[in-house]
Amino acid sequence: ETGVTQTPRHLVMGMTNKKSLKCEQHLGHNAMYWYKQSAKKPLELMFVYSLEERVENNSVPSRFSPECPNSSHLFLHLHTLQPEDSALYLCASSQESTDSDTQYFGPGTRLTVL
Amino acid sequence: EDQVTQSPEALRLQEGESSSLNCSYTVSGLRGLFWYRQDPGKGPEFLFTLYSAGEEKEKERLKATLTKKESFLHITAPKPEDSATYLCAVQARQTGTASKLTFGTGTRLQVTL
Repeated sequence: ETGVTQTPRHLVMGMTNKKSLKCEQHLGHNAMYWYKQSAKKPLELMFVYSLEERVENNSVPSRFSPECPNSSHLFLHLHTLQPEDSALYLCASSQESTDSDTQYFGPGTRLTVL
Repeated sequence: EDQVTQSPEALRLQEGESSSLNCSYTVSGLRGLFWYRQDPGKGPEFLFTLYSAGEEKEKERLKATLTKKESFLHITAPKPEDSATYLCAVQARQTGTASKLTFGTGTRLQVTL
């Protein structure tokens, strides 16, 4: 595997379900991100992990719970979601440096909440 | 608050018809401006990073330029495979760890034969 991978690619869940999204980066980076992409809206940053510590939580509802067990893996645990949470969820990683650090994205998980 | 505005929202070109996409931004000290390409149902693919006004970068039929207020993505003699949504994002100078990007809503480009 190369780059940033995400599983599953598609997920349909009911409002009472619990599911998890998985992201793995094979780039040796030390920062990972979750974004939400909805139609006609810019990418919204949800969470940032740097060196496995959460450094950003952009007022995301508690029904989204991130987990970063190590620098290569990132999870997004989902429970009691709402239909408006249906979107493309993107994971990204970067290598922090004193210069600008480019973020590389995975293919995304298309989530549909019924 | 950092802001990014992209125009036009959608652009339809014929193959070989060159054009430019615009990205206007306001940021509290620019650390970097990024261009990404996104195909339907896929994640954004990194194209360029620009750091300072006057900088230019090229890749095949694409050329990105940067001024203090905006960036342009010039597409020369486009082909149908250039059809995609092009995203612009800015990163502000900041202390602390990890980068934060502010994205525009993108320009959806369609290139027809």
